[in-house]
Amino acid sequence: AQKVTQAQTEISVVEKEDVTLDCVYETRDTTYYLFWYKQPPSGELVFLIRRNSFDEQNEISGRYSWNFQKSTSSFNFTITASQVVDSAVYFCALSDLSLSYNTDKLIFGTGTRLQVFP
Amino acid sequence: SAVISQKPSRDICQRGTSLTIQCQVDSQVTMMFWYRQQPGQSLTLIATANQGSEATYESGFVIDKFPISRPNLTFSTLTVSNMSPEDSSIYLCSADRGGWGETQYFGPGTRLLVL
Repeated sequence: AQKVTQAQTEISVVEKEDVTLDCVYETRDTTYYLFWYKQPPSGELVFLIRRNSFDEQNEISGRYSWNFQKSTSSFNFTITASQVVDSAVYFCALSDLSLSYNTDKLIFGTGTRLQVFP
Repeated sequence: SAVISQKPSRDICQRGTSLTIQCQVDSQVTMMFWYRQQPGQSLTLIATANQGSEATYESGFVIDKFPISRPNLTFSTLTVSNMSPEDSSIYLCSADRGGWGETQYFGPGTRLLVL
């Protein structure tokens, strides 16, 4: 069965520290998509990245970077030089064909609450 | 991407009543989804709404409790019926252009408190 595990419930850091949020997934499919979303206190889910299972290149976007490793079924997210505005709940999500043939249902992890203190 | 708005943004309701939440997308989309996020929890998919067809409900969610409409390609509503305090949650609408693997974009959510 599909599953997304975010073992870190809450992380607290001081501004300018680097922080890595872990995401481990389970799927029987060889083709799947992984996502990260950010949920600030306002409640809206903000899309951060989408990665398909055939693209294992790491990605960097400003202070954000993602490390996708199929060998360990992980898709970890690192924030470099964290800022107070990074404080939010971060969700990792999975979509694979076995969830639904022609729709893109998402399975979400339980989220990691990141608190960045000044 | 798509810009999604929801109404109301929050509401406080009495048990036994019903609330209809509206979701508006700024462009035509194929798929719309409704999620529930209970306090401090992750997101759980309630149903998938395609235009012109009945919504597809996930296990544990039924049409009588959560009727959904999808009258066109930019709009959907979710009704939470006969509410109880256990229905207190954030309800989020999302949309994508259809096709597997597409990115879902989310609305700001509706915070519902049932007394």
